[in-house]
Amino acid sequence: GDSVTQMEGPVTLSEEAFLTINCTYTATGYPSLFWYVQYPGEGLQLLLKATKADDKGSNKGFEATYRKETTSFHLEKGSVQVSDSAVYFCALKIEKTGANNLFFGTGTRLTVIP
Amino acid sequence: DGGITQSPKYLFRKEGQNVTLSCEQNLNHDAMYWYRQDPGQGLRLIYYSQIVNDFQKGDIAEGYSVSREKKESFPLTVTSAQKNPTAFYLCATEGQDYEQYFGPGTRLTVT
Repeated sequence: GDSVTQMEGPVTLSEEAFLTINCTYTATGYPSLFWYVQYPGEGLQLLLKATKADDKGSNKGFEATYRKETTSFHLEKGSVQVSDSAVYFCALKIEKTGANNLFFGTGTRLTVIP
Repeated sequence: DGGITQSPKYLFRKEGQNVTLSCEQNLNHDAMYWYRQDPGQGLRLIYYSQIVNDFQKGDIAEGYSVSREKKESFPLTVTSAQKNPTAFYLCATEGQDYEQYFGPGTRLTVT
């Protein structure tokens, strides 16, 4: 079935370090892919998205490329800041009528230390 | 200001009581969702509604009920049948590109 597998955390990095959070997916159709971020005590916010193969989503210095050949959508940032500390969720949506086909990963907690 | 409101932010109830969590949106989105989040875990889908007067069970609907009488509102009732109701509850809508828009959440504690 359709699913998302996300790198387990927690991840702890020093400020200005390079970040990669891995996300791979299994999908029967052609999904749209998303990264969401959740700051402590808040709801999730959309960070970036990609709707077709080879699309690159980017926002706030974060990037992820929709790789159909490796079924991946890894999140990257070149230089993390303390304010990036949060939980990051990978998600996919399959377009299908009459059913909910939205799947979230289990989340990866990132802590950035000064 | 467009968005999703959930109230209250913190809610305390005694075991055996039903409690209703509010979710209101002014984004004019058709689809709305309720999720449950437990500490250190991902989101689990409770119920969703793709249109007014229609809703579907998610993965963990037992012990919960919903209604969708208006496009703007999708309240969730946590009944006494829910065995472990203490959790963080998130309401969301879905935009035209399948993006989810989340409310700030309600933290329910049942003792």
